[in-house]
Formats: sequence, C-alpha cells, structure tokens
Amino acid sequence: EDQVTQSPEALRLQEGESSSLNCSYTVSGLRGLFWYRQDPGKGPEFLFTLYSAGEEKEKERLKATLTKKESFLHITAPKPEDSATYLCAVQDLYFQGAQKLVFGQGTRLTINP
Amino acid sequence: NAGVTQTPKFQVLKTGQSMTLQCAQDMNHEYMSWYRQDPGMGLRLIHYSVGAGITDQGEVPNGYNVSRSTTEDFPLRLLSAAPSQTSVYFCASSPDRGGANVLTFGAGSRLTVL
Repeated sequence: EDQVTQSPEALRLQEGESSSLNCSYTVSGLRGLFWYRQDPGKGPEFLFTLYSAGEEKEKERLKATLTKKESFLHITAPKPEDSATYLCAVQDLYFQGAQKLVFGQGTRLTINP
Repeated sequence: NAGVTQTPKFQVLKTGQSMTLQCAQDMNHEYMSWYRQDPGMGLRLIHYSVGAGITDQGEVPNGYNVSRSTTEDFPLRLLSAAPSQTSVYFCASSPDRGGANVLTFGAGSRLTVL
C-alpha cells in the first residue's frame, strides 16, 4: 500500500531562517511526487513535480529534491508570505487508468517577521 | 478563466439529511475527483471520473454518490448525512487520465453534520 509521511507536523521559523520539510514515501513504482501549497481556507496549489531520484526543482525561495525514499522541500531565507501548509503526494506508476494521488498529512509552516 | 468552482462554500446539515456538493470546471479536463480533508489525515480520495459517463470509487466512497453527465460537472451527493462526514471537501481536475498530470483544486466546501 502506498504511504506518505511528512515531518514535522508544524514548524515555526523566524524570517530569514532557512530549513527543510521532509516527505517520506513508500510506493510500488513512482510515477511522480508532487508538492502543493495550501493557504488557510483555500484549495491546494501546485508547486513542483519530481519524477526520479536525483531530480531537483526550484521556485523562488523553494527547492524540492528527491531520493528513492524521501523528498525534501528546502526553504531558503523565508518570508512571512511563505507561511502555509505544504502537502506532499505520490502517484503510483502501476495504477492504471486514473491519477490517484496519495497525500501526506502536511507540514504547517509559520514564518514570524 | 474560473478553473474549478465549488458550491456551496459552507453548509450545515442535520444527521440523515441529503445534499449535493457542486463542482464545475471550465478547462475541458477529462479527469475529475473528490477528496475530503480531515485534521491530521491528509486528503483522501472519495470518487473520481476519467470522463463523461465514467466514475469509480476511491479510498473512502461509503455514503457518497457521484455522476458525470458532462465533461464540466461532477457533483458529489451525500445520501444520508452522518457526523463522520463533517469535513472539508475538495474537487480537483486534470487534463488527462494518464501520466503525472497536475491537479487543479477548487476552493473547498466546508460541511458540518450535526
């Protein structure tokens, strides 16, 4: 059974204090690993897709990396507007016919000014 | 471009009542899905559809019905609401049924069952 575990559940940082969020996953075969950002009262918004171990993607202060068992979302010099819940999800390569994503429970990130 | 539109945004029901959560997308996406989000549990797939006239069950389908008569609309019906169905519901769509395509989510519908 596919599983995704995110840690920590919550993280509070000072503005400018860099850190990383972890996403550990178990999947039969990985079609893709996704990172989404979710603001309070809103739906998740897409950030990145990673497909294979060693891949990295960047967007502003965020960089996502992937290994065979984990993904990290690195946040460099964060600002208060980066405060949100970050969700990780995996799509199984062997699931036929639809895009079932298995989500982690999320990491709630708070950046204090 | 509106994307994925969900209505209502908030709803309170009594146990045993029925209701329909509406979802519409204007991106001509083939794939549509419903998730529920509960504290500490992440998003869980309820039902999904790979095209008009085709639906299937996800991880937590009990107590919910769906239909897909058009490409644009994918309503979620609660047949007899229970307190365990108190949750935030998200509709999502993507262009294709295969590949690692990105999901576009609606803003959510918060349902409370008393």
